[in-house]
Amino acid sequence: AQTVTQSQPEMSVQEAETVTLSCTYDTSENNYYLFWYKQPPSRQMILVIRQEAYKQQNATENRFSVNFQKAAKSFSLKISDSQLGDTAMYFCAFMKPSGNTPLVFGKGTRLSVIA
Amino acid sequence: DSGVTQTPKHLITATGQRVTLRCSPRSGDLSVYWYQQSLDQGLQFLIQYYNGEERAKGNILERFSAQQFPDLHSELNLSSLELGDSALYFCASSVRQPTDTQYFGPGTRLTVL
Repeated sequence: AQTVTQSQPEMSVQEAETVTLSCTYDTSENNYYLFWYKQPPSRQMILVIRQEAYKQQNATENRFSVNFQKAAKSFSLKISDSQLGDTAMYFCAFMKPSGNTPLVFGKGTRLSVIA
Repeated sequence: DSGVTQTPKHLITATGQRVTLRCSPRSGDLSVYWYQQSLDQGLQFLIQYYNGEERAKGNILERFSAQQFPDLHSELNLSSLELGDSALYFCASSVRQPTDTQYFGPGTRLTVL
């Protein structure tokens, strides 16, 4: 079974600075999908970014980018120019590509952006 | 706004009762997933439907059941409720390909007293 580990329960960053959230996963699959979801205080789960394992290029979405290291089974999220609105729980998630598969989530990292 | 709707937003009920949570997927999405988020268990997958058929089951209790209707909305039924069932219940939907990105609804917060 796949597992996802987020080793940083809590982190904080100054506004406008850069922060990196860590995620590692365990799988025997060669192809799969990885996601970062954000859960602000409103509790809504919001997709931040998605990475396909077969793509070598790291995904980016505006201020959000990932460092995908397939051999190391590592998938970290970098947030540049942190904003107060980035304060949230961040969940790393894994999905097999074989169809009809659910997301497997890590325990989350609580990020606080400080003014 | 993800386009996925869930009702009600909040639900407070007593132990032993039965409740129904409703989810409407994004327009065009055929897959619906249900997840439970509790403080001690984190986010856990419960069950998935695709175009009206059950496709995958996770850690769903026998007291819980779900279905997806012809109009593709889905309902999660929770019966004989216990204090430990208090949690945030999310519905997510994805497009035709089951491996596509899942978009989450706002969730239903269930409190069992």
